[in-house]
Amino acid sequence: DVKVTQSSRYLVKRTGEKVFLECVQDMDHENMFWYRQDPGLGLRLIYFSYDVKMKEKGDIPEGYSVSREKKERFSLILESASTNQTSMYLCASSLIFSPEEQDTQYFGPGTRLTVL
Amino acid sequence: DAKTTQPTSMDCAEGRAANLPCNHSTISGNEYVYWYRQIHSQGPQYIIHGLKNNETNEMASLIITEDRKSSTLILPHATLRDTAVYYCIVTGAGSYQLTFGKGTKLSVIP
Repeated sequence: DVKVTQSSRYLVKRTGEKVFLECVQDMDHENMFWYRQDPGLGLRLIYFSYDVKMKEKGDIPEGYSVSREKKERFSLILESASTNQTSMYLCASSLIFSPEEQDTQYFGPGTRLTVL
Repeated sequence: DAKTTQPTSMDCAEGRAANLPCNHSTISGNEYVYWYRQIHSQGPQYIIHGLKNNETNEMASLIITEDRKSSTLILPHATLRDTAVYYCIVTGAGSYQLTFGKGTKLSVIP
């Protein structure tokens, strides 16, 4: 079974703090993703990575950065947390990225971040 | 524009089959139908996907109509643990983007 783990289930931070969210997958997947989920807005893609040290912006990258130094680990960084970044953050991974094929994304349990 | 249309909510008696419909009338030839579910406060869980043919795995069956404009997810013997929001997603080959709509909230009743 694919296992995607996230460093925290719940996190409370203060405005202006630098926040690190960690995600680890154990299936040697090439691709990793960070989403946020908000009521009424569904899942929105923040960043994704298709290889070590490679990253691409998703739909809402502003206020976030990412790091992928090792294949199994993908970090989401909030440089200066703000209250509008209070959300559920979801990490996912998938095996391949090809124009000809569709691949399944597997999600972690999520981190519920509250910024006060 | 929404690519899929699902009922907002459904109830199913425990032990009975749950049939969750999805309309995707604008689906393209190279687009897949994916189903995920999300149990409260957890990450989405992959269930099944298909392109043209019906598919079955240990969790569910997926029935896609011949014209591919609609599909049905079948949970053969629903349990209380199947209570969740079920998302039907249409996504193309090579696409990294999963667009989750509002889904169907399935309540399994004892």
